[in-house]
Amino acid sequence: DAGVTQSPTHLIKTRGQHVTLRCSPISGHKSVSWYQQVLGQGPQFIFQYYEKEERGRGNFPDRFSARQFPNYSSELNVNALLLGDSALYLCASSLEGEIGDTEAFFGQGTRLTVV
Amino acid sequence: EDKVVQSPLSLVVHEGDTVTLNCSYEVTNFRSLLWYKQEKKAPTFLFMLTSSGIEKKSGRLSSILDKKELFSILNITATQTGDSAVYLCAVEVPLKAAGNKLTFGGGTRVLVKP
Repeated sequence: DAGVTQSPTHLIKTRGQHVTLRCSPISGHKSVSWYQQVLGQGPQFIFQYYEKEERGRGNFPDRFSARQFPNYSSELNVNALLLGDSALYLCASSLEGEIGDTEAFFGQGTRLTVV
Repeated sequence: EDKVVQSPLSLVVHEGDTVTLNCSYEVTNFRSLLWYKQEKKAPTFLFMLTSSGIEKKSGRLSSILDKKELFSILNITATQTGDSAVYLCAVEVPLKAAGNKLTFGGGTRVLVKP
């Protein structure tokens, strides 16, 4: 079975640009969560989506947005990139948004560098 | 505000040593505590703990949770150079409507020297 897949794995953007990151959950999982991990820190929660609805949002500016598609894949969009947006972006999937008896399955992440 | 604090920030040991990592938390509504190992990429899952006093083991790694004192420890015995990594502790807490999120600590960087 394929795990959580994220694309691209790496990308470099210039300040002020826009970026779209993609995540495909494990088959059968209906919930996707996004996390940002800045170098030297633990991951920070950005969004959770379940059945195409936003369930929760972390303390991030409106430049960050996301959506979930009918096939449960998800996109994270960041507008007007700042140098501080440089980070590893992680996607996790779960059956219904509750970790329960299973671990949160993370994808391999997208490493975004803003120059 | 929910908080997870890990200590020490980093440590250096030699192969064969035992390592104890600490994680304390202050959260409004605890669901579970998870430990992850992170090398260069995404965190890989180690343990999920929900009940106090029950040790979970996997090979040379073990972990236990104390819900009264609000902390967990992760032990690594007979360390090997492959154990060098950042170890992350996360607490699962509910979102306002439904579903849960993970609140992470800052991690402990472990370096095992040959």
